[in-house]
Amino acid sequence: DTAVSQTPKYLVTQMGNDKSIKCEQNLGHDTMYWYKQDSKKFLKIMFSYNNKELIINETVPNRFSPKSPDKAHLNLHINSLELGDSAVYFCASSYGQGGSEAFFGQGTRLTVV
Amino acid sequence: AQTVTQSQPEMSVQEAETVTLSCTYDTSESDYYLFWYKQPPSRQMILVIRQEAYKQQNATENRFSVNFQKAAKSFSLKISDSQLGDAAMYFCAYRTFDNNNDMRFGAGTRLTVKP
Repeated sequence: DTAVSQTPKYLVTQMGNDKSIKCEQNLGHDTMYWYKQDSKKFLKIMFSYNNKELIINETVPNRFSPKSPDKAHLNLHINSLELGDSAVYFCASSYGQGGSEAFFGQGTRLTVV
Repeated sequence: AQTVTQSQPEMSVQEAETVTLSCTYDTSESDYYLFWYKQPPSRQMILVIRQEAYKQQNATENRFSVNFQKAAKSFSLKISDSQLGDAAMYFCAYRTFDNNNDMRFGAGTRLTVKP
């Protein structure tokens, strides 16, 4: 059983397109995250949600819109894709306050051509 | 926001030897968590070890141990008896203890293990 599952694992698309990445966790966690890992391997937090409520929204272009229909799901929709959006996107989950480590999905490698 | 600094972009160790990866962080909080994650070429993020700031005792997990110096805001990872499978990117991470659940990562250290 996969704890944190992201789909798709790979995504190749053209500039200007709109795409979504889905994330689901079956760990009963109440907090979920999106991270972006660039070509230099730097992991940057984009968003975090706690019980479907947006908690952290880093300086991310408005083209990125997270959606959490319930606390087990956190999807990422990206409009008008740009070359610079090419990266690996990781979803993660954890328990909230008093919780500890985050569990990560396998990542989605997004390539914009 | 808190910052995490890993000053060693790359490290190398001989198989069966010991290596220490450095990490420092900046925070005004007294309670928080610290972690080391491993990312092999498969890109999966794997938790190596965690430390709660309120615990003075350094965490240990088999061949992995940390040197947690709270006053110095330092959190280094020691890998003993290095194995070829230890080769990976290693990330130090800081997480707040409050409802913000803010979790930040350092830039990573690429560890090479030589046979």
